Amino acid sequence: TQLLEQSPQFLSIQEGENLTVYCNSSSVFSSLQWYRQEPGEGPVLLVTVVTGGEVKKLKRLTFQFGDARKDSSLHITAAQPGDTGLYLCAGRSNTDKLIFGTGTRLQVFP
Amino acid sequence: DAGVIQSPRHEVTEMGQEVTLRCKPISGHNSLFWYRQTMMRGLELLIYFNNNVPIDDSGMPEDRFSAKMPNASFSTLKIQPSEPRDSAVYFCASSLWKDTQYFGPGTRLTVL
Repeated sequence: TQLLEQSPQFLSIQEGENLTVYCNSSSVFSSLQWYRQEPGEGPVLLVTVVTGGEVKKLKRLTFQFGDARKDSSLHITAAQPGDTGLYLCAGRSNTDKLIFGTGTRLQVFP
Repeated sequence: DAGVIQSPRHEVTEMGQEVTLRCKPISGHNSLFWYRQTMMRGLELLIYFNNNVPIDDSGMPEDRFSAKMPNASFSTLKIQPSEPRDSAVYFCASSLWKDTQYFGPGTRLTVL
């Protein structure tokens, strides 16, 4: 069974701080996605990384796929209250399904 | 454009009752997914369809759960009989093949 563990599980920070969320597995994934989910809504795709070592930037968010395609990180620079939400990583499995991580709940206080 | 539409948004029922969740995918999408989200288990894929045909139902918990997709614009997830442990948020998502999955707002199910 392919599993994705995220850390930390919860994160509460002040506006302006930087943070990093990790997504780790012992399995290799063909691609990895990051989603953000707000209360009462479904997850929304932020980015897809495909190549080992790939780095993608989305404004203040930086996503990296591990060289071995087993792990990924999400770094947020100068967090804002609007970044508050549940962040989920998801790997595309060897059976082509999306396997979602355990989630990181981020709260950014003004 | 309308996104994925799910109904009802909230459902409260008693143990033993039948529950039917509904989903209308985005027009033109040919893949539809049913997920369940709980605090304990996170977001889990229950079943997915390609071109209205069930492809993988290995995530369906047990025989009490069934899903149908009679046409390209409608799918149902039925739980009969429901149990308290079925309480969760159920999401429907659709995509064009393996492209981006777009999630609906979810149905929050509470089984008393």
